[in-house]
Amino acid sequence: NAGVTQTPKFQVLKTGQSMTLQCAQDMNHNSMYWYRQDPGMGLRLIYYSASEGTTDKGEVPNGYNVSRLNKREFSLRLESAAPSQTSVYFCASSFQDPPGYTFGSGTRLTVV
Amino acid sequence: EDQVTQSPEALRLQEGESSSLNCSYTVSGLRGLFWYRQDPGKGPEFLFTLYSAGEEKEKERLKATLTKKESFLHITAPKPEDSATYLCAVQGGGSNYKLTFGKGTLLTVNP
Repeated sequence: NAGVTQTPKFQVLKTGQSMTLQCAQDMNHNSMYWYRQDPGMGLRLIYYSASEGTTDKGEVPNGYNVSRLNKREFSLRLESAAPSQTSVYFCASSFQDPPGYTFGSGTRLTVV
Repeated sequence: EDQVTQSPEALRLQEGESSSLNCSYTVSGLRGLFWYRQDPGKGPEFLFTLYSAGEEKEKERLKATLTKKESFLHITAPKPEDSATYLCAVQGGGSNYKLTFGKGTLLTVNP
């Protein structure tokens, strides 16, 4: 099915470990986004890529890096995981016009 | 900075009991207001986009309306399967295509 695919779906890390969350979309969308969702905080933007070859910081970028590998793929890297990064991570993609996102199913990350 | 406030945080209804969810927003140059539905353990699912004050959109038992300061999601004769978290988001003119989300309203419909 067409859409946004995230891997892995679940992950447990130890403090200080690194990992990369993968995201791929097959809708030919220009823009891609990484959000985290925490109880009581809602969805907060970590990084986004308005178009292939560009990336920008969102609301909560500290501790993360991103790579827009090509038009389809946008990865999120945690270099040294911290318990504060325990969250559910969502990738989304969109056309620039009309706006509106399609979301992936999420990655549930626990840092112990 | 774009801001979105949703109320109430949680709403419990009996099956068939109609009600409304509120989304208040401040944004510089609204390009669009969006409603999403999110089921537990899943990603948000797109419901509606509203572009200008006075616009209305309907889908089954849901109707979204928009004014210059707020949007309402009206739920008519809800069923238990309408239970979910409903998210509101805005895209401003200077946002570079990114959306700002509210914290959501958790709707529970009891049979």
